[in-house]
Amino acid sequence: DIQLTQSPPFLSASVGDRVNIACRASQDITNFLAWYQQKPGKAPKLLIYAASTLQSGVPSRFSGSGSGTEFTLTIRSLQSEDFAAYFCQQYKTYPLTFGGGTTVEI
Amino acid sequence: QLRLQESGPGLVKPSETLSLTCDVFYDSMNTYYWNWLRQTPGKGLEWIGYVYSNGSPNYNPSLKSRVTMSVDTFKNQFYLELRSVTAADTAIYYCARLGDYLDNGGTYFGHFDFWGRGILVSVSS
Repeated sequence: DIQLTQSPPFLSASVGDRVNIACRASQDITNFLAWYQQKPGKAPKLLIYAASTLQSGVPSRFSGSGSGTEFTLTIRSLQSEDFAAYFCQQYKTYPLTFGGGTTVEI
Repeated sequence: QLRLQESGPGLVKPSETLSLTCDVFYDSMNTYYWNWLRQTPGKGLEWIGYVYSNGSPNYNPSLKSRVTMSVDTFKNQFYLELRSVTAADTAIYYCARLGDYLDNGGTYFGHFDFWGRGILVSVSS
């Protein structure tokens, strides 16, 4: 199975900050990577797929970059509604796997 | 817009079978892959498997021996059965659709674009 390692596990930030979350794959996954946001008690919400394509309706302050084994989710100017957990997910090979998550907190 | 909703018992006894249903609203199930995932504080998000609209399944090898998924496109539903459950199967279970996109002339599936709200299933006697 492809392992995804996210860093950091927890991130303290303030409104207006620029935030970067890293996701490292245990092998080359080209650009077959998605990012999700999850708030407490809710299902994950798709933010980005194909490493850098913004899902329809997602604010443009979210962006994704990277290829191969190194990927980054960037939130350009953190808003209060962005405090949540974020997960990466690979779909290069089955079984589909997720990173352990990064919690962005105040 | 597509909506998914899980249903089933919230409590299952050890060694018994966990059975869940996912209702799909406001769109056809045809030509898509319909998934089950689960989430626990300890193991995080885990993909259980999918069933394609024609009934073909693909399961996570870690659960394959205990899982069966099926679909009924006329009812707009798909199903999960997980046999011989233990406390380790206690989790929030989600149903979700694999989304598709075009890239370099090909169609790719792999990200989950629609999710149900999730259902907590506890395994306990």
